[in-house]
Amino acid sequence: GAGVSQSPSNKVTEKGKDVELRCDPISGHTALYWYRQSLGQGLEFLIYFQGNSAPDKSGLPSDRFSAERTGGSVSTLTIQRTQQEDSAVYLCASSLLSGTSSYEQYFGPGTRLTVT
Amino acid sequence: KNEVEQSPQNLTAQEGEFITINCSYSVGISALHWLQQHPGGGIVSLFMLSSGKKKHGRLIATINIQEKHSSLHITASHPRDSAVYICAVRSNTGNQFYFGTGTSLTVIP
Repeated sequence: GAGVSQSPSNKVTEKGKDVELRCDPISGHTALYWYRQSLGQGLEFLIYFQGNSAPDKSGLPSDRFSAERTGGSVSTLTIQRTQQEDSAVYLCASSLLSGTSSYEQYFGPGTRLTVT
Repeated sequence: KNEVEQSPQNLTAQEGEFITINCSYSVGISALHWLQQHPGGGIVSLFMLSSGKKKHGRLIATINIQEKHSSLHITASHPRDSAVYICAVRSNTGNQFYFGTGTSLTVIP
């Protein structure tokens, strides 16, 4: 079946502009994660959605970052007033029910964001 | 402060060698994941474990909860195993995932 898809695959934007990154999780997966991978650095947790529960936003680096998940499926990560340090690969992953259990995550191919 | 530490950072091996990558963590966890990331490629989940040992083909993952340590072993390594291997843990107090910085493995024919 179809895996996790993300769009766009690459995005170049000017400093100060807003960007939206999209994630389509695997159908039926209720848990959705956003991560960031900066050049030469490890993965960094950003935000977690589980079903209709309030998202866990504890990893968002600033209030310029926000995310929503409509209808429990597609998610959009928005970065307002982008800065050069926002340049990174943004990865989305989905999994089955989470809660207190941990399930295998399926990763999307990522969106490479470059802020000039 | 790094909640997850991996070693070695870089590893070069000859084809056929037995490889071990280590992961230590400092937080309470509900599960530990081993991920594989190929150059320019996406991330694939290799293992998820909360105790004991798992085996898949030439890959073996073990975890010692008391010592907060996990190892990923590759038997009879092959050049196609060349990738970055990442250890990740899920906190048992929330939904946070913490990641190691990865081990870059190169297997030479």
